[in-house]
Amino acid sequence: KQEVTQIPAALSVPEGENLVLNCSFTDSAIYNLQWFRQDPGKGLTSLLLIQSSQREQTSGRLNASLDKSSGRSTLYIAASQPGDSATYLCAVRPGSGGGADGLTFGKGTHLIIQP
Amino acid sequence: GAVVSQHPSWVICKSGTSVKIECRSLDFQATTMFWYRQFPKQSLMLMATSNEGSKATYEQGVEKDKFLINHASLTLSTLTVTSAHPEDSSFYICSAAIDSYEQYFGPGTRLTVT
Repeated sequence: KQEVTQIPAALSVPEGENLVLNCSFTDSAIYNLQWFRQDPGKGLTSLLLIQSSQREQTSGRLNASLDKSSGRSTLYIAASQPGDSATYLCAVRPGSGGGADGLTFGKGTHLIIQP
Repeated sequence: GAVVSQHPSWVICKSGTSVKIECRSLDFQATTMFWYRQFPKQSLMLMATSNEGSKATYEQGVEKDKFLINHASLTLSTLTVTSAHPEDSSFYICSAAIDSYEQYFGPGTRLTVT
């Protein structure tokens, strides 16, 4: 059974710092990996999606990498801002069903950016 | 594009009653829809996968007779929580997939059972 772990569980840093969020998964047979942002009491906002054949994706100040063989992904946030405060979720889609299966989520990293 | 809506956004019901939650893909036809549940300070857990016109596939530990899923069209799936109890109080989120590439998530429905 796939398990997704996110470290750290919580992180508080001053505004302007660059930071890295970590995600690991136990079964490397994934279809893709996705990073989401969730604000309190709200739904999910998709940030980046990395296909299993890709190594990284970038969007603005965000960069996500994927090392499928070692079961790891990182989300890099550059020049953090208070508006980046949220819970960041990592999720993987299993490869066995041709990508048609549901996602397995980690518990998230609760990020606070101090002004 | 790729917008998914849910209705209602929140609902309070009494123990023993049933509640229906709708998930709609507004600007695309979804081949598959998924239902997830999130308890406080926990991550999202997949409950079931549904395809239009066929029976839903439930994850281990999810009671299919309690959580009824109907996927009547390519743009609408419903989740009915039957005989709800306080332990069913949770945040329910649906997602819809056009193909196997990406899932698009709805805004979620917060259910509180008193």
